[in-house]
Amino acid sequence: GENVEQHPSTLSVQEGDSAVIKCTYSDSASNYFPWYKQELGKRPQLIIDIRSNVGEKKDQRIAVTLNKTAKHFSLHITETQPEDSAVYFCAAPYGQNFVFGPGTRLSVLP
Amino acid sequence: DVKVTQSSRYLVKRTGEKVFLECVQDMDHENMFWYRQDPGLGLRLIYFSYDVKMKEKGDIPEGYSVSREKKERFSLILESASTNQTSMYLCASSSRRGRPFREQYFGPGTRLTVT
Repeated sequence: GENVEQHPSTLSVQEGDSAVIKCTYSDSASNYFPWYKQELGKRPQLIIDIRSNVGEKKDQRIAVTLNKTAKHFSLHITETQPEDSAVYFCAAPYGQNFVFGPGTRLSVLP
Repeated sequence: DVKVTQSSRYLVKRTGEKVFLECVQDMDHENMFWYRQDPGLGLRLIYFSYDVKMKEKGDIPEGYSVSREKKERFSLILESASTNQTSMYLCASSSRRGRPFREQYFGPGTRLTVT
């Protein structure tokens, strides 16, 4: 089945710096990769996703890149702000469902 | 706006009790999911359902069962609660219309403590 690894497990950055979170997956047939953000005490919410027919997708300060050959995809957050502090989860398809990574706790220090 | 609601935010139960967690979505989604969230383990799928009266086991179904009698409602049942089922439980729903793999919308979660 699908196996998703996510690194780092925790990440601290200064406000204004960039943050990068990387996920690897095992099933070469996987073709859709979402990223969810979960703020403290709140529900996970989709922030960006990418399908395998593109290598990069951007939405304002966040971007996701996909390397199908190496089977990894990454979340990039530029000009980080305190409200970016949260746990971020990547996911990869497995059958009709998803396998989620273990999460990365991002702290943006003022 | 999609709304996924869960019957309780916090629940405390005793070992051996039967526990019902309910989830309701208002967007006519076909798919519904129950996850368990534990620190460092991410979101692990317990059960899912693609249609009324249909259910499929996820990665960690042991000790749990589910019921989907109506399209909008998906219930998680702990037949005999144990302390190792203390966790955060998240319900989610998604549509099957259009492209495969659509966004999952999560409920607010139920923090269950079994003593």
